[in-house]
Amino acid sequence: AQSVTQLGSHVSVSEGALVLLRCNYSSSVPPYLFWYVQYPNQGLQLLLKYTTGATLVKGINGFEAEFKKSETSFHLTKPSAHMSDAAEYFCAASTDKLIFGTGTRLQVFP
Amino acid sequence: KAGVTQTPRYLIKTRGQQVTLSCSPISGHRSVSWYQQTPGQGLQFLFEYFSETQRNKGNFPGRFSGRQFSNSRSEMNVSTLELGDSALYLCASSLARQGADEQYFGPGTRLTVT
Repeated sequence: AQSVTQLGSHVSVSEGALVLLRCNYSSSVPPYLFWYVQYPNQGLQLLLKYTTGATLVKGINGFEAEFKKSETSFHLTKPSAHMSDAAEYFCAASTDKLIFGTGTRLQVFP
Repeated sequence: KAGVTQTPRYLIKTRGQQVTLSCSPISGHRSVSWYQQTPGQGLQFLFEYFSETQRNKGNFPGRFSGRQFSNSRSEMNVSTLELGDSALYLCASSLARQGADEQYFGPGTRLTVT
C-alpha cells in the first residue's frame, strides 16, 4: 500500500535561513510525487511535481525538491526563507490516487 | 482561466441531516476528486470521478457519495451527518490522468455538524 511520511509536524526557521522539509514515500512502484502548500483558510496550491526525468525539480517561489529513489525520499528545500513562506506544506504521492502526508507547518521568524 | 470553485464555502448542519456540496472544475478538466481534511486525520481521499463515472474510491462509509455531471461539475453528498463529519471538504480537478496530472484545488467547503 502506498503511504507518505513527513518528518516533523512543525519546523521553525529564521528569515533568510535554509528551509528543509522532509518527505519519504512507500510504494510498490515509484509514484508520481508532489508538494503542495496551504495558507490559512485556503485550498492547496501546487509547488512542484516529479513524474519522470530529471530528479531535481524546481517549483514556484524558489522551492525545489530532489527525488532519490534509493532513499525513497522527496525532500523540499528553499535556500532562503521568507516570512511569506509561513504555511502548511504537504507531500503527496500518486499511483492511482493521491495520498498525502500529515503535513508540516513552517514558521518563519524575523 | 477561472479556478476550481466550491459552494457553499461554509455550512452548519445538525447531526442526522444530509448535505450536498458542489464543485465546478477548471474548464476542460474532466477529473474531479474530493478530499476530507480534519486536524486529526489530515487529508483523506474520498473519491474521484472522470467522465461521470466513479474511477476510484477511498475508505469512507456509504454515507458519503458523489456524482459528476456531463459538464464535469460534481456534487458530494453526506447523509445522516455525524459530529465527526465536521471538516474542510476540498475538491480538486485535473485534466485526465489521475496519476501524473497535477490536481488544482478549490478553496474548500467548511462543514460544521452540531
